[in-house]
Amino acid sequence: EIVLTQSPGTLSLSPGERATLSCRASQSVSSGYLVWYQQKPGQAPRLLIHDASIRATGTPDRFSGSGSGTDFTLTISRLEPEDFAVYYCQQYVNSPLTFGGGTKVEIK
Amino acid sequence: EVRLVESGGGLVKPGGSLRLSCAASGFTFGDYIMTWVRQAPGKGLEWVSSVSSRSYHIYYAGSVRGRFTISRDNAKNSLYLQMNSLRADDTAVYYCARGRGYCSSTGCYSNFDYWGQGALVTVSS
Repeated sequence: EIVLTQSPGTLSLSPGERATLSCRASQSVSSGYLVWYQQKPGQAPRLLIHDASIRATGTPDRFSGSGSGTDFTLTISRLEPEDFAVYYCQQYVNSPLTFGGGTKVEIK
Repeated sequence: EVRLVESGGGLVKPGGSLRLSCAASGFTFGDYIMTWVRQAPGKGLEWVSSVSSRSYHIYYAGSVRGRFTISRDNAKNSLYLQMNSLRADDTAVYYCARGRGYCSSTGCYSNFDYWGQGALVTVSS
């Protein structure tokens, strides 16, 4: 099983600041099989980034994904009020499918 | 518009059973992998089970294998999860999700581009 470790657990930032979220895999993950989701309180997750770096339909361009192998990053260039949420990475190169534990981006 | 609507959640005693349903609309249901993902209160996401488009391939997480059964009815655009021998640690919101990927003899490999609103399952005496 591939374990995905997300850091930090919580990121306290102000609107307009840059957010950098990390997702580290216990084994190499092909870039095409790493995605990011955003989840707001009381809502279902929403697909944000697929293939490690491709924005899903409707994802603003302030969101970008990068990385390869075992290290992946989600960057939010300038935080908007609606971006404060929990972000999860997920891999699907191996079974079972696994998610990271999440990073909460909260308002400082 | 793609819509996934879960139903069937509720309160059940340990050892009891519950059946979740997911009604799909807005896309050709029979063309997609479908999946159940759960989220315990205040916790992260956990993949539960996936079924390929024509039910040829079915896979379960180890934590539910032998107790849960996933099924689908493409004629009714519906996905199901039969949950037996429920335990307290099965308490979670259960999401139905559409999978983008593929299935093989070793697993279903997908991400999830659409999700339902979730159904809360509480297992407690």
